[in-house]
Amino acid sequence: GQQVMQIPQYQHVQEGEDFTTYCNSSTTLSNIQWYKQRPGGHPVFLIQLVKSGEVKKQKRLTFQFGEAKKNSSLHITATQTTDVGTYFCAVSSNDYKLSFGAGTTVTVRA
Amino acid sequence: KAGVTQTPRYLIKTRGQQVTLSCSPISGHRSVSWYQQTPGQGLQFLFEYFSETQRNKGNFPGRFSGRQFSNSRSEMNVSTLELGDSALYLCASTIDPRDEQFFGPGTRLTVL
Repeated sequence: GQQVMQIPQYQHVQEGEDFTTYCNSSTTLSNIQWYKQRPGGHPVFLIQLVKSGEVKKQKRLTFQFGEAKKNSSLHITATQTTDVGTYFCAVSSNDYKLSFGAGTTVTVRA
Repeated sequence: KAGVTQTPRYLIKTRGQQVTLSCSPISGHRSVSWYQQTPGQGLQFLFEYFSETQRNKGNFPGRFSGRQFSNSRSEMNVSTLELGDSALYLCASTIDPRDEQFFGPGTRLTVL
């Protein structure tokens, strides 16, 4: 199946600062999904990107799909304590499997 | 609309025992996927079911099995439990597994 590498594994952010997490693949992706899992919770769908170069925004979150469809990024501006959690990228395939990256675990210093 | 439900939420077993976990998908969702989540391995795909048929299986030993019923509810079974099977088992339902998946709260399995 398709494999995706996520970096960084951990992100320690000062409240109010921005940060970016990246998802990279060696192969062209048909689409990419992003999920957030709060501590003690379950993954919750954030967004799906399908088109080359696509950019989508959700309030302070900006998601981007690379032009070559081999990488994606999630940028969060003005980080808040509510942003704490693990952010996963995931790739779906035509064989009904969703493959997750290892995740970026975000902690916020108040 | 009710979300995905999983039972039980917590389970403690000993090595060698077997366990059955249950998942009830969102009404109208016929695709159910199972995942194992551990701190070391992250979220690993176990299998996906649609209309009572397993369409894909991840790289797990044969001790891990599942099934889906005609009402789309799904169960997974792990036989001959090992310490390494301790994990959070998540199920997710969807209309199309290539689209957004809705996760249940998970079953936390501890093997002693």
